[in-house]
Amino acid sequence: DAGVIQSPRHEVTEMGQEVTLRCKPISGHDYLFWYRQTMMRGLELLIYFNNNVPIDDSGMPEDRFSAKMPNASFSTLKIQPSEPRDSAVYFCASSLRGFETQYFGPGTRLLVL
Amino acid sequence: GQQVMQIPQYQHVQEGEDFTTYCNSSTTLSNIQWYKQRPGGHPVFLIQLVKSGEVKKQKRLTFQFGEAKKNSSLHITATQTTDVGTYFCAVNDQTGANNLFFGTGTRLTVIP
Repeated sequence: DAGVIQSPRHEVTEMGQEVTLRCKPISGHDYLFWYRQTMMRGLELLIYFNNNVPIDDSGMPEDRFSAKMPNASFSTLKIQPSEPRDSAVYFCASSLRGFETQYFGPGTRLLVL
Repeated sequence: GQQVMQIPQYQHVQEGEDFTTYCNSSTTLSNIQWYKQRPGGHPVFLIQLVKSGEVKKQKRLTFQFGEAKKNSSLHITATQTTDVGTYFCAVNDQTGANNLFFGTGTRLTVIP
């Protein structure tokens, strides 16, 4: 298996622009997680899905952030409008059984100018 | 909320020396996981500990879960340059909430 796939790998945008991050989980994994990593706050869970249904989005920082999972092989994390403080590495992860053994994607390095 | 402290924050060792990182929680844990993240890379799952006092080994890595299930350690024997990276613990507490809280990580540098 190719593992978790994320795109783009790098994104540079200007404040106010919409940003869409994409993730393809490992086939057969029922759980998908979105994390954000910064030097100041470390690795934070934003939202997770089980069988394409959002279960807990309490980690989503603001209404500017939204996530969808239209099918078992695709998820998006959207930031609209983006702000400089959103600059971070965004990781997608998937797993077979909830919070056990998560497989992380390579991440999207986002820079908002 | 869940408080997870990892110490030390940074560690520089000479190649061949041992290394230990500690993870401490303010609450009793359901389980604890350890991840390794290479510079510029993504977290990679290493192991999960569930039982009180559990000890697991992976080659030169030894993982231990405290008797009270509030702390854990990762010990690397005879470090190699390939061990470079940041080691994170991630905890699931016993409140019943589905979540995973990552520690602040210990960044290991191995000097050849």
